[in-house]
Amino acid sequence: AQSVTQLDSQVPVFEEAPVELRCNYSSSVSVYLFWYVQYPNQGLQLLLKYLSGSTLVKGINGFEAEFNKSQTSFHLRKPSVHISDTAEYFCAVRRRNTPLVFGKGTRLSVIA
Amino acid sequence: EPEVTQTPSHQVTQMGQEVILRCVPISNHLYFYWYRQILGQKVEFLVSFYNNEISEKSEIFDDQFSVERPDGSNFTLKIRSTKLEDSAMYFCASSEERGGEKLFFGSGTQLSVL
Repeated sequence: AQSVTQLDSQVPVFEEAPVELRCNYSSSVSVYLFWYVQYPNQGLQLLLKYLSGSTLVKGINGFEAEFNKSQTSFHLRKPSVHISDTAEYFCAVRRRNTPLVFGKGTRLSVIA
Repeated sequence: EPEVTQTPSHQVTQMGQEVILRCVPISNHLYFYWYRQILGQKVEFLVSFYNNEISEKSEIFDDQFSVERPDGSNFTLKIRSTKLEDSAMYFCASSEERGGEKLFFGSGTQLSVL
């Protein structure tokens, strides 16, 4: 079965600084990888996904993530964060036609 | 953009009581899901539903849980006799396709069992 580890439960960062949210997964077969974001009092929203092809995936709001098969990682990055990026970020994995398996989430706090 | 709607946003109940959490998925979606997140823990899959029947369920989804699509728009999760450990945020989701490359999630119902 696949699993997801988000190494940081909280990440504080100053506005306009770069950020990386870490995600590692384990699976014995090929998987699809996702990042979701949850803004306060809202549902989970898809940021980006990796299904196949280019290992660098660009998503909404200036975020990107890189699939690294050898390190089984799918870290999320943004070169310059804004106050509005403050939210909970969830990494998720699944095999074809199986339910999503989520990580515990990382709370990104952007400080003015 | 279309959205998944969940009601209520907060539900407080006494242990042993039945609760029904309601969801209105996106209208042209065919696959429906419930997930939950206990405070400080992972978002966990509970159940998926397609063509008026459960297509997959997790170990969490025991006999105390049931799902229903009573009409063409609502999708409900019923917990028959709530326990303290059922306290969690419950998320409904829907997708056009099985497996859901793009799942649309509701904003969740925070269930507190006292």
